[in-house]
Amino acid sequence: EAGVAQSPRYKIIEKRQSVAFWCNPISGHATLYWYQQILGQGPKLLIQFQNNGVVDDSQLPKDRFSAERLKGVDSTLKIQPAKLEDSAVYLCASGYSGQRQFFGPGTRLTVL
Amino acid sequence: AQSVTQLDSQVPVFEEAPVELRCNYSSSVSVYLFWYVQYPNQGLQLLLKYLSGSTLVKGINGFEAEFNKSQTSFHLRKPSVHISDTAEYFCAVSSNDMRFGAGTRLTVKP
Repeated sequence: EAGVAQSPRYKIIEKRQSVAFWCNPISGHATLYWYQQILGQGPKLLIQFQNNGVVDDSQLPKDRFSAERLKGVDSTLKIQPAKLEDSAVYLCASGYSGQRQFFGPGTRLTVL
Repeated sequence: AQSVTQLDSQVPVFEEAPVELRCNYSSSVSVYLFWYVQYPNQGLQLLLKYLSGSTLVKGINGFEAEFNKSQTSFHLRKPSVHISDTAEYFCAVSSNDMRFGAGTRLTVKP
């Protein structure tokens, strides 16, 4: 069974630039999650999709972060403009609501 | 909304010693509970989960956890650790969304 795919694996940008991350969940998983994991901390949920609808985006900084899952499969997470404090690993996970989540390898973002 | 508290940020132990990583949660609704492990430079992997039924849950690599509803705890245990268990361990609670604790760094020394 193919796992959750994410790209790119690493990204280095300067502050105020824009960046986008892509996630392809496990086939058939209706729920997709984006997490931000800052070094030394636990993952923080940014947004949760159920199919192509948003279930929870209460912790998403909406002034600079956006995410979409237009066809209920792949998802993109965008940051525009990036700040130094956005340096983190961005994790995508998929699964069934309330059940186990399968995590991708993550994208490590460094903002200089 | 639910929250998770991992009571120890770092736990150093010697090889073959027992270990307990503590996790407390708060929630106004019934929840599912999870422990994930993150080895250095790797992604999150599920160790074990509690959904319902027996409160003692066995996971991979010899780990187990006990759900205690009255104490709102889900502590992780292993009777004898190995060097290879050195990793970051995250407790998580889920109802409609999932919240993670800050993590406990387990360091196993020879």
